[in-house]
Amino acid sequence: AQSVTQLGSHVSVSEGALVLLRCNYSSSVPPYLFWYVQYPNQGLQLLLKYTTGATLVKGINGFEAEFKKSETSFHLTKPSAHMSDAAEYFCAVSLNGGSQGNLIFGKGTKLSVKP
Amino acid sequence: EPEVTQTPSHQVTQMGQEVILRCVPISNHLYFYWYRQILGQKVEFLVSFYNNEISEKSEIFDDQFSVERPDGSNFTLKIRSTKLEDSAMYFCASEGSYNSPLHFGNGTRLTVT
Repeated sequence: AQSVTQLGSHVSVSEGALVLLRCNYSSSVPPYLFWYVQYPNQGLQLLLKYTTGATLVKGINGFEAEFKKSETSFHLTKPSAHMSDAAEYFCAVSLNGGSQGNLIFGKGTKLSVKP
Repeated sequence: EPEVTQTPSHQVTQMGQEVILRCVPISNHLYFYWYRQILGQKVEFLVSFYNNEISEKSEIFDDQFSVERPDGSNFTLKIRSTKLEDSAMYFCASEGSYNSPLHFGNGTRLTVT
């Protein structure tokens, strides 16, 4: 069965510092992996996804994530944090290895950015 | 940019009452979903809907829940007899085609008292 673990429910970084949000998954099929961002009082917005092919995936707002099969990880990074990056971030794996709609989400990591 | 809209943004209801949460997906989308997020917990898949029928549902989606696309534009989630533990944020999402990005609405916060 698929599952997602996000280490750290709350991460705080200074503006300009590296952002690293951790995600580990388990999946019985080749996984499709996703990162979503949720700003206050808004829905979830897709940041990036990995389906097949290149393991380093670039997304919106300067974020990227690398699929590492040997580590069953899909950590999200951004070289330099902006104040506007403060939000909650969710890692997800697809249930069916295909459709993006049937997703299992992690518990989320709230990112705070200090000036 | 077209977006998924959900109404109301906040619904308060008494235990045992029926509630209908409404969603208007993006107009040319074909796949529709409901998720919920209990406060402080993870986002959980409830149900997916395609071609006017449920394609998949989770264990959470029991007989108290139903979905409908009554008029080709709205996509509703009905909870027949609400329980306190149904209090959560409910998100609707739609997808244009298989394997295209999901678009989420801003959610309806349901409070059951």
